[in-house]
Amino acid sequence: QSALTQPPSASGSPGQSVTISCTGTSSDVGGYNYVSWYQQYPGKAPKLMIYEVSKRPSGVPDRFSGSKSGNTASLTVSGLRADDEADYYCSSYAGSGNLVFGGGTKLTVL
Amino acid sequence: EVQLVESGGALVQPGGSLRLSCAASGFTFSDYWMSWVRQAPGKGLEWVASIKEDGSEKYYVDSVKGRFTISKDNAKNTLFLQVNSLRVEDTAVYYCAKAGLAVSRDYWGQGTLVTVSS
Repeated sequence: QSALTQPPSASGSPGQSVTISCTGTSSDVGGYNYVSWYQQYPGKAPKLMIYEVSKRPSGVPDRFSGSKSGNTASLTVSGLRADDEADYYCSSYAGSGNLVFGGGTKLTVL
Repeated sequence: EVQLVESGGALVQPGGSLRLSCAASGFTFSDYWMSWVRQAPGKGLEWVASIKEDGSEKYYVDSVKGRFTISKDNAKNTLFLQVNSLRVEDTAVYYCAKAGLAVSRDYWGQGTLVTVSS
């Protein structure tokens, strides 16, 4: 039950694209297509942005996209906006009913 | 509209106990897995426990096994987390979350703060 590995920080200018990685193992990220991404503002509850690696819930802009290759999943935010500045967490199913989260990435819009 | 409202958090001494509750509305509670996820101050999210729709299966992160118990009352649309033998490192905001598609968590409550300190 080790946490998934995310970079502590990422940044980009308005209008640019930024990609956040999430590295696990063959027992979690690599073993299942059950990777989710969450956005969290300070003092607020997390919000689901991506599920099943690359699917967006209703209401999430298509500027947010997800992908996976091997044991690493990625979240790409295109056309950066000021209100994208938040913490982002990945999560994966890890078998036997267990979930695991990444350590989180603070996205700064310059 | 889906709503999840947690309660029960408090300041407690090490070794103490609490019962956290999460009142659910806006969906058929008995049809969904539910989970507790916590966040220590200034830290990331940590999955704590999950329970199947009918309560027949329960899963826990290793660090809370034997100390925490998740349960749900489908008649009262309420999720619970009994937390015993609390440790300083259990200090966190505890969120309840509804299961969505593909093992995601699509709705979250606002959280309830548990502080373990002497």
